[in-house]
Amino acid sequence: AQSVSQHNHHVILSEAASLELGCNYSYGGTVNLFWYVQYPGQHLQLLLKYFSGDPLVKGIKGFEAEFIKSKFSFNLRKPSVQWSDTAEYFCAVNSGGGADGLTFGKGTHLIIQP
Amino acid sequence: EPEVTQTPSHQVTQMGQEVILRCVPISNHLYFYWYRQILGQKVEFLVSFYNNEISEKSEIFDDQFSVERPDGSNFTLKIRSTKLEDSAMYFCASSDRPNYGYTFGSGTRLTVV
Repeated sequence: AQSVSQHNHHVILSEAASLELGCNYSYGGTVNLFWYVQYPGQHLQLLLKYFSGDPLVKGIKGFEAEFIKSKFSFNLRKPSVQWSDTAEYFCAVNSGGGADGLTFGKGTHLIIQP
Repeated sequence: EPEVTQTPSHQVTQMGQEVILRCVPISNHLYFYWYRQILGQKVEFLVSFYNNEISEKSEIFDDQFSVERPDGSNFTLKIRSTKLEDSAMYFCASSDRPNYGYTFGSGTRLTVV
């Protein structure tokens, strides 16, 4: 069975700081990897995804993530965060075929202080 | 931008009652999903639906749950006899190519009292 670990449950940063949120998964086969963001009171929105090709993927709002297969990791990064990035961030994975449901991590609550 | 629409946004029901949560997926999407998020916990997969049948379901999706696509636009989740522990936010999602990611609805907050 797949599992996803997000090691940082709460992160507090100041504006303009750099961000890296960790995500590790366990699954032996081909995977598709996702980062979703949930702003307060809103639904889950896709930030970025990886399914093949360049392991460094760029998403919306200046976010990027790097798939490192040897480390089973897919960490999310942003060079300079803004107050509006305050949200819950979820890493998710499904198997290579893609029709399976997503397995989510527990999420990281990011607070950006002005 | 196309949206997945869920109704109602909040539903309160008494334990033992049946509830139906409704979703209108994006019109050209073929894959449909339900997820739930119990307060303070992670988002959990319930069921996926494709070609008018369940393609995968989790351990959570027991006989109390059922899904249906009654017409060409709606996708419903029914809980036959609600329990207190069914209280959660329920998210519908749809996709045209699942490994490209899904579009989630804004959720229905179900409160069982």
